[in-house]
Amino acid sequence: SQQGEEDPQALSIQEGENATMNCSYKTSINNLQWYRQNSGRGLVHLILIRSNEREKHSGRLRVTLDTSKKSSSLLITASRAADTASYFCATDHSLQGGSAKLVFGKGTKLTVNP
Amino acid sequence: DTEVTQTPKHLVMGMTNKKSLKCEQHMGHRAMYWYKQKAKKPPELMFVYSYEKLSINESVPSRFSPECPNSSLLNLHLHALQPEDSALYLCASSHLKTRSSYNEQFFGPGTRLTVL
Repeated sequence: SQQGEEDPQALSIQEGENATMNCSYKTSINNLQWYRQNSGRGLVHLILIRSNEREKHSGRLRVTLDTSKKSSSLLITASRAADTASYFCATDHSLQGGSAKLVFGKGTKLTVNP
Repeated sequence: DTEVTQTPKHLVMGMTNKKSLKCEQHMGHRAMYWYKQKAKKPPELMFVYSYEKLSINESVPSRFSPECPNSSLLNLHLHALQPEDSALYLCASSHLKTRSSYNEQFFGPGTRLTVL
């Protein structure tokens, strides 16, 4: 079942511009993660924000989390053509034994035009 | 080695065939996962292995049979699949969560499966 809803579904920008993607979720979370997927390939973990954090930075990435609104945003600054990919948020649900179920949002397809 | 490898990259099979997908990691992760991803959709969890034992089966049809022969390997055996099973099958692994750690999952590149 899909927990997250992302918007926009597709985003097209020019190189150098900032890209903002939003994610909403429905249940309480331990943490929220963002992943990137190049076309038809595996997912790459970008950043994790814990439920008690409000903002986190990693290089050109900035993630915010508002647990009262059950929403998160991913900002990519100074975008590059190489940032073209699909971006998914995922909520982390702990399982017995220490593993975790990731429930992914629908994703935002980002195109950065050179 | 921070890589999850999957073979084959592409697989085409008929509905009567039996085939297997393979996944390998050498990061010491004791949790391994199979996800299914249809075109333009997010990945959906199929199975979770913890300490080489199946801990989660997300109501997956029995024509998909997972196997974890050791802590580095994860297989997905396929038999009598349907055309609607065509998808990208992703393997992932992670450390088991402790009080001070979180589950970042490392994904393989996937196997693109087409069922004719």
